[in-house]
Amino acid sequence: KAGVTQTPRYLIKTRGQQVTLSCSPISGHRSVSWYQQTPGQGLQFLFEYFSETQRNKGNFPGRFSGRQFSNSRSEMNVSTLELGDSALYLCASSTPQKVQGFFSGANVLTFGAGSRLTVL
Amino acid sequence: AQKITQTQPGMFVQEKEAVTLDCTYDTSDPSYGLFWYKQPSSGEMIFLIYQGSYDQQNATEGRYSLNFQKARKSANLVISASQLGDSAMYFCAMREGKRSYTGTASKLTFGTGTRLQVTL
Repeated sequence: KAGVTQTPRYLIKTRGQQVTLSCSPISGHRSVSWYQQTPGQGLQFLFEYFSETQRNKGNFPGRFSGRQFSNSRSEMNVSTLELGDSALYLCASSTPQKVQGFFSGANVLTFGAGSRLTVL
Repeated sequence: AQKITQTQPGMFVQEKEAVTLDCTYDTSDPSYGLFWYKQPSSGEMIFLIYQGSYDQQNATEGRYSLNFQKARKSANLVISASQLGDSAMYFCAMREGKRSYTGTASKLTFGTGTRLQVTL
């Protein structure tokens, strides 16, 4: 069973450019979430998607956006890149289960290997 | 607001010995979930173990066990019989406590991590 696939694995951009990162979840997983990891801020939640809809968003500026396609694949985009956007961007997929109308808190995220972005 | 604290930036353990990685958390919500992830140098986050706030017993997964002390708000990871391959960063994380009709419970708050080095 293939894991979560993120592309590209490494990329270098310059300030002001934009970047698009792709994430293919595990087959059958319908939820995709994105995290940013930096040495200074650690791991921070960006957003999550389920059934092509953004369900939750972290505290990031509007330059960070994402979307999910009907096959559950997801992309995130960062526009007008800043030096501080240099980070490892991790994507995670899961199969959230509903329990009594709520999504279960025992939802285990499976992460990809990440896309390492360097902004010069 | 939720908070996860990992006070050990780095730990050393000899091969075949047991090691405990500390994690304390802070939340006012009675319903929450606690996770431990391992991150090798490759960057991928690997799920190790999960503990729900209402679980009566401490979670165990092979060589991993979670020492859950609810009153102290601690969720320490115990690795028994350490192996060289256990050398990695270890992150404690907490699931947002409130059940959500729309969110898929994919938002985790992570600690700063502990770097474990297993020596011969």
